[in-house]
Amino acid sequence: GENVEQHPSTLSVQEGDSAVIKCTYSDSASNYFPWYKQELGKRPQLIIDIRSNVGEKKDQRIAVTLNKTAKHFSLHITETQPEDSAVYFCAASDASSASKIIFGSGTRLSIRP
Amino acid sequence: GAGVSQSPSNKVTEKGKDVELRCDPISGHTALYWYRQSLGQGLEFLIYFQGNSAPDKSGLPSDRFSAERTGGSVSTLTIQRTQQEDSAVYLCASSFSGDPGETQYFGPGTRLLVL
Repeated sequence: GENVEQHPSTLSVQEGDSAVIKCTYSDSASNYFPWYKQELGKRPQLIIDIRSNVGEKKDQRIAVTLNKTAKHFSLHITETQPEDSAVYFCAASDASSASKIIFGSGTRLSIRP
Repeated sequence: GAGVSQSPSNKVTEKGKDVELRCDPISGHTALYWYRQSLGQGLEFLIYFQGNSAPDKSGLPSDRFSAERTGGSVSTLTIQRTQQEDSAVYLCASSFSGDPGETQYFGPGTRLLVL
């Protein structure tokens, strides 16, 4: 089955700087890659996703890139703000059961004022 | 409209007892997922229901864990003879039809503590 590795596990950046979180996946047949944000004590919420037929997708200050050949994808947050502090999870669809997604272990992002 | 709801929000139980966790998906959503989130860890897939199809139980960690979904809506996750390592937040999510690439909407979770 699919395996998703995520790093770093923790990340601290100065407010206004950029943050990058990287993930790798094992199954080349995976074709859907969502990113979820989980604020402290709250439920995970989808912030952006990308499909395998696209190399990059952007939504305001966040962007995701996908390299199918290397089987890795990344989340980029520019001009970070205090409200960006949260745990971010990447995920990849499981080719054996495409409606199932396998999550990475999460990155705790802290924005320093 | 109403989102995914779960109950109870917190559950404290003694080792060896059985517990039942409930999930109410978004109305009209046919796909329902259960995940487990241990402290500081990622989201571990447990089980997936899609309409009337047989559930995908491939993530259940042991035969002490079971889940059912009656009437295609509400789901119950049951943990028998709980162990301390079962302590975690149990999250439920639903999606409209379970088609690949659909957004999963999460509930607030049930925080389970086994003493």
